[in-house]
Amino acid sequence: DQQVKQNSPSLSVQEGRISILNCDYTNSMFDYFLWYKKYPAEGPTFLISISSIKDKNEDGRFTVFLNKSAKHLSLHIVPSQPGDSAVYFCAARGDFGNEKLTFGTGTRLTIIP
Amino acid sequence: KAGVTQTPRYLIKTRGQQVTLSCSPISGHRSVSWYQQTPGQGLQFLFEYFSETQRNKGNFPGRFSGRQFSNSRSEMNVSTLELGDSALYLCASSLTQLETQYFGPGTRLLVL
Repeated sequence: DQQVKQNSPSLSVQEGRISILNCDYTNSMFDYFLWYKKYPAEGPTFLISISSIKDKNEDGRFTVFLNKSAKHLSLHIVPSQPGDSAVYFCAARGDFGNEKLTFGTGTRLTIIP
Repeated sequence: KAGVTQTPRYLIKTRGQQVTLSCSPISGHRSVSWYQQTPGQGLQFLFEYFSETQRNKGNFPGRFSGRQFSNSRSEMNVSTLELGDSALYLCASSLTQLETQYFGPGTRLLVL
Protein backbone atom coordinates (compact mmCIF):
# COMPACT_ATOMS: atom_id res chain seq x y z
CA ASP A 1 0.00 0.00 0.00
CA GLN A 2 1.76 3.12 -1.29
CA GLN A 3 0.77 5.82 1.18
CA VAL A 4 2.83 8.51 -0.58
CA LYS A 5 2.61 8.64 -4.35
CA GLN A 6 4.57 10.54 -6.95
CA ASN A 7 2.74 9.66 -10.13
CA SER A 8 5.20 11.29 -12.54
CA PRO A 9 8.41 9.25 -12.76
CA SER A 10 10.06 11.96 -14.85
CA LEU A 11 9.70 15.59 -15.82
CA SER A 12 11.63 17.78 -18.27
CA VAL A 13 11.61 21.57 -17.97
CA GLN A 14 13.36 24.32 -19.87
CA GLU A 15 15.98 26.28 -17.94
CA GLY A 16 14.51 29.44 -16.44
CA ARG A 17 10.94 28.11 -16.41
CA ILE A 18 8.97 26.80 -13.44
CA SER A 19 9.27 23.15 -12.37
CA ILE A 20 6.26 21.71 -10.56
CA LEU A 21 6.58 18.34 -8.84
CA ASN A 22 3.51 16.71 -7.38
CA CYS A 23 2.87 14.31 -4.52
CA ASP A 24 -0.30 12.71 -3.17
CA TYR A 25 -0.80 10.93 0.14
CA THR A 26 -3.51 8.73 1.58
CA ASN A 27 -2.78 8.60 5.31
CA SER A 28 -4.72 11.32 7.14
CA MET A 29 -2.39 10.89 10.14
CA PHE A 30 0.47 12.52 8.22
CA ASP A 31 1.04 16.04 9.49
CA TYR A 32 4.53 16.93 8.31
CA PHE A 33 5.86 16.78 4.77
CA LEU A 34 9.34 17.08 3.31
CA TRP A 35 11.03 17.22 -0.05
CA TYR A 36 14.44 15.73 -0.64
CA LYS A 37 16.68 15.95 -3.69
CA LYS A 38 19.00 13.14 -4.69
CA TYR A 39 21.93 13.05 -7.08
CA PRO A 40 23.31 9.69 -8.28
CA ALA A 41 25.69 8.00 -5.84
CA GLU A 42 24.78 10.46 -3.06
CA GLY A 43 22.33 10.39 -0.19
CA PRO A 44 19.16 12.51 -0.36
CA THR A 45 19.57 16.17 0.58
CA PHE A 46 16.84 17.93 2.54
CA LEU A 47 15.25 20.77 0.57
CA ILE A 48 12.16 22.13 2.26
CA SER A 49 9.37 21.03 4.58
CA ILE A 50 5.86 22.05 5.57
CA SER A 51 3.68 21.41 8.58
CA SER A 52 0.00 20.61 8.16
CA ILE A 53 -0.91 23.85 9.94
CA LYS A 54 0.41 25.77 6.94
CA ASP A 55 -0.53 25.71 3.28
CA LYS A 56 2.65 27.26 1.87
CA ASN A 57 6.32 27.49 2.74
CA GLU A 58 9.01 29.28 0.76
CA ASP A 59 12.78 29.05 0.77
CA GLY A 60 14.49 30.95 -2.00
CA ARG A 61 13.62 29.40 -5.34
CA PHE A 62 11.69 26.57 -3.68
CA THR A 63 8.07 26.75 -2.55
CA VAL A 64 5.99 23.89 -1.21
CA PHE A 65 2.19 24.03 -1.29
CA LEU A 66 -0.04 21.79 0.80
CA ASN A 67 -3.71 21.10 0.08
CA LYS A 68 -4.90 19.04 3.04
CA SER A 69 -8.41 18.48 1.78
CA ALA A 70 -7.05 17.00 -1.45
CA LYS A 71 -4.16 15.26 0.36
CA HIS A 72 -1.85 16.80 -2.20
CA LEU A 73 1.39 18.73 -2.07
CA SER A 74 3.57 20.23 -4.71
CA LEU A 75 7.07 21.62 -4.99
CA HIS A 76 7.65 24.65 -7.22
CA ILE A 77 11.14 25.57 -8.38
CA VAL A 78 11.45 29.02 -9.94
CA PRO A 79 13.51 29.67 -11.96
CA SER A 80 14.75 26.18 -12.81
CA GLN A 81 18.51 25.80 -13.17
CA PRO A 82 20.63 22.98 -14.68
CA GLY A 83 21.89 22.06 -11.20
CA ASP A 84 18.30 21.23 -10.24
CA SER A 85 18.43 18.10 -12.41
CA ALA A 86 18.08 15.28 -9.89
CA VAL A 87 15.55 12.87 -8.43
CA TYR A 88 13.09 14.51 -6.04
CA PHE A 89 11.45 12.54 -3.25
CA CYS A 90 8.40 13.57 -1.32
CA ALA A 91 8.18 12.23 2.25
CA ALA A 92 5.59 12.38 5.02
CA ARG A 93 5.31 11.53 8.69
CA GLY A 94 2.90 11.79 11.56
CA ASP A 95 3.26 12.86 15.18
CA PHE A 96 4.52 10.81 18.14
CA GLY A 97 3.76 7.17 17.56
CA ASN A 98 3.74 7.66 13.81
CA GLU A 99 7.10 9.35 13.30
CA LYS A 100 8.65 7.16 10.64
CA LEU A 101 9.16 8.85 7.29
CA THR A 102 7.27 7.38 4.35
CA PHE A 103 8.74 8.23 0.96
CA GLY A 104 7.31 8.41 -2.53
CA THR A 105 9.05 6.66 -5.40
CA GLY A 106 10.61 9.86 -6.72
CA THR A 107 10.40 12.09 -9.79
CA ARG A 108 13.43 12.52 -12.03
CA LEU A 109 13.66 16.19 -13.00
CA THR A 110 15.73 17.14 -16.04
CA ILE A 111 16.40 20.80 -16.74
CA ILE A 112 17.04 21.45 -20.41
CA PRO A 113 19.57 24.25 -21.04
CA LYS B 1 29.82 20.22 11.54
CA ALA B 2 30.57 16.90 9.86
CA GLY B 3 27.69 15.17 8.10
CA VAL B 4 26.43 11.63 8.41
CA THR B 5 29.09 9.11 7.47
CA GLN B 6 28.55 5.55 6.36
CA THR B 7 31.07 2.75 5.97
CA PRO B 8 31.84 0.97 3.83
CA ARG B 9 30.67 2.84 0.73
CA TYR B 10 30.66 -0.24 -1.48
CA LEU B 11 30.41 -3.92 -0.65
CA ILE B 12 30.19 -7.14 -2.64
CA LYS B 13 28.97 -10.30 -0.92
CA THR B 14 27.68 -13.69 -2.00
CA ARG B 15 24.37 -15.30 -1.18
CA GLY B 16 24.18 -16.77 2.29
CA GLN B 17 26.79 -14.46 3.77
CA GLN B 18 26.06 -11.79 6.33
CA VAL B 19 27.00 -8.13 6.31
CA THR B 20 27.30 -5.30 8.83
CA LEU B 21 26.98 -1.67 7.81
CA SER B 22 27.97 1.25 9.99
CA CYS B 23 26.58 4.75 10.39
CA SER B 24 27.97 7.70 12.35
CA PRO B 25 25.34 10.41 12.84
CA ILE B 26 25.86 14.15 12.91
CA SER B 27 27.30 15.18 16.27
CA GLY B 28 24.50 15.72 18.78
CA HIS B 29 21.93 13.76 16.80
CA ARG B 30 20.37 10.96 18.81
CA SER B 31 17.97 9.46 16.28
CA VAL B 32 19.23 7.21 13.49
CA SER B 33 17.06 5.68 10.77
CA TRP B 34 17.91 3.17 8.08
CA TYR B 35 16.40 2.87 4.62
CA GLN B 36 16.78 0.55 1.66
CA GLN B 37 16.62 1.99 -1.83
CA THR B 38 16.14 -0.26 -4.86
CA PRO B 39 15.40 0.84 -8.45
CA GLY B 40 11.80 1.97 -8.80
CA GLN B 41 11.00 1.43 -5.11
CA GLY B 42 11.89 4.71 -3.54
CA LEU B 43 13.21 4.57 0.00
CA GLN B 44 11.82 1.79 2.14
CA PHE B 45 12.04 2.31 5.90
CA LEU B 46 13.94 -0.38 7.78
CA PHE B 47 14.10 0.81 11.39
CA GLU B 48 14.77 3.78 13.63
CA TYR B 49 16.78 4.01 16.82
CA PHE B 50 16.69 6.66 19.50
CA SER B 51 18.80 6.53 22.66
CA GLU B 52 19.89 2.95 21.91
CA THR B 53 16.29 1.71 21.60
CA GLN B 54 14.52 0.63 18.44
CA ARG B 55 11.47 2.92 18.23
CA ASN B 56 10.04 2.02 14.83
CA LYS B 57 10.41 -0.90 12.46
CA GLY B 58 9.47 -1.34 8.81
CA ASN B 59 8.16 -4.41 7.02
CA PHE B 60 11.39 -6.30 6.51
CA PRO B 61 12.18 -9.90 7.50
CA GLY B 62 14.01 -10.71 10.70
CA ARG B 63 17.24 -11.15 8.71
CA PHE B 64 17.52 -7.37 8.92
CA SER B 65 18.53 -6.12 12.35
CA GLY B 66 20.24 -3.14 13.85
CA ARG B 67 21.51 -1.56 16.99
CA GLN B 68 22.58 1.79 18.34
CA PHE B 69 25.46 2.47 20.68
CA SER B 70 25.71 4.94 23.55
CA ASN B 71 27.55 7.42 21.28
CA SER B 72 24.56 7.25 18.86
CA ARG B 73 26.53 5.39 16.19
CA SER B 74 24.45 2.67 14.61
CA GLU B 75 25.00 -0.58 12.78
CA MET B 76 22.68 -2.65 10.69
CA ASN B 77 23.18 -6.32 9.97
CA VAL B 78 21.74 -8.50 7.26
CA SER B 79 22.13 -12.24 7.69
CA THR B 80 21.76 -14.98 5.07
CA LEU B 81 22.00 -12.54 2.20
CA GLU B 82 19.73 -12.98 -0.81
CA LEU B 83 20.16 -11.60 -4.33
CA GLY B 84 17.22 -9.25 -3.69
CA ASP B 85 19.12 -7.57 -0.87
CA SER B 86 21.27 -5.79 -3.45
CA ALA B 87 20.47 -2.14 -2.86
CA LEU B 88 21.66 1.21 -1.63
CA TYR B 89 21.38 1.32 2.17
CA LEU B 90 20.95 4.81 3.55
CA CYS B 91 21.30 6.03 7.06
CA ALA B 92 19.78 9.29 8.28
CA SER B 93 20.19 11.12 11.57
CA SER B 94 18.15 13.76 13.35
CA LEU B 95 18.24 15.53 16.70
CA THR B 96 15.09 13.75 17.82
CA GLN B 97 12.52 11.56 16.13
CA LEU B 98 10.46 14.55 15.00
CA GLU B 99 13.29 16.68 13.63
CA THR B 100 14.43 16.78 9.99
CA GLN B 101 16.47 13.78 8.93
CA TYR B 102 19.84 14.27 7.23
CA PHE B 103 21.18 11.46 5.09
CA GLY B 104 24.58 9.91 4.63
CA PRO B 105 25.96 8.95 1.21
CA GLY B 106 24.81 5.35 1.53
CA THR B 107 26.41 1.92 1.26
CA ARG B 108 25.97 0.20 -2.09
CA LEU B 109 25.60 -3.55 -1.46
CA LEU B 110 25.82 -6.05 -4.29
CA VAL B 111 24.91 -9.66 -3.58
CA LEU B 112 26.16 -12.21 -6.11
